[in-house]
Amino acid sequence: DAGVIQSPRHEVTEMGQEVTLRCKPISGHDYLFWYRQTMMRGLELLIYFNNNVPIDDSGMPEDRFSAKMPNASFSTLKIQPSEPRDSAVYFCASRRTSGGVDTQYFGPGTRLTVL
Amino acid sequence: DAKTTQPTSMDCAEGRAANLPCNHSTISGNEYVYWYRQIHSQGPQYIIHGLKNNETNEMASLIITEDRKSSTLILPHATLRDTAVYYCIVRVRQGAQKLVFGQGTRLTINP
Repeated sequence: DAGVIQSPRHEVTEMGQEVTLRCKPISGHDYLFWYRQTMMRGLELLIYFNNNVPIDDSGMPEDRFSAKMPNASFSTLKIQPSEPRDSAVYFCASRRTSGGVDTQYFGPGTRLTVL
Repeated sequence: DAKTTQPTSMDCAEGRAANLPCNHSTISGNEYVYWYRQIHSQGPQYIIHGLKNNETNEMASLIITEDRKSSTLILPHATLRDTAVYYCIVRVRQGAQKLVFGQGTRLTINP
């Protein structure tokens, strides 16, 4: 299995630009999570989906952030417009419900720099 | 979810056992103890979890005290590749999906 795939691995953009981060979860996993990691705040959960439906978006910082999961194999996290304080590493993770296994598997992350 | 307390940093010599403590004095009966680690520039990686019995897998052992107020993650023969930040997380296994990461313990394995 290829694991959770995220793209791009690095993104540098200018303030005000739209940024789209992408995630492909592990096949067969029915939960997908988006996290953000910064030095100041550590690792924070932004939003998670179950069977492509957003369940909890209470961690999404503000309306500039949006996430979608159009199908079981793809999710996006969009920031529009981006700001320098959005600079962070964004991780996607997935897990499956069945079999009593509830381990979350994380992707390699996208390092976002907003100038 | 119960709050956890971990030392900020620890050092261990290569080849020795690394023992990482975690206090979770407010843990409730249906909460599990999970351990994840994050190697530099990578996503967090699951290590092990347990409820009240000691657990062992190919990566580590988890020792939970009888009162469940603390636990210790043991890496039996630490290698340089075990240098990472180790997170102790307490949460209900069923239903709740969130993993709330604290600051963790930065473990450095020295040659």
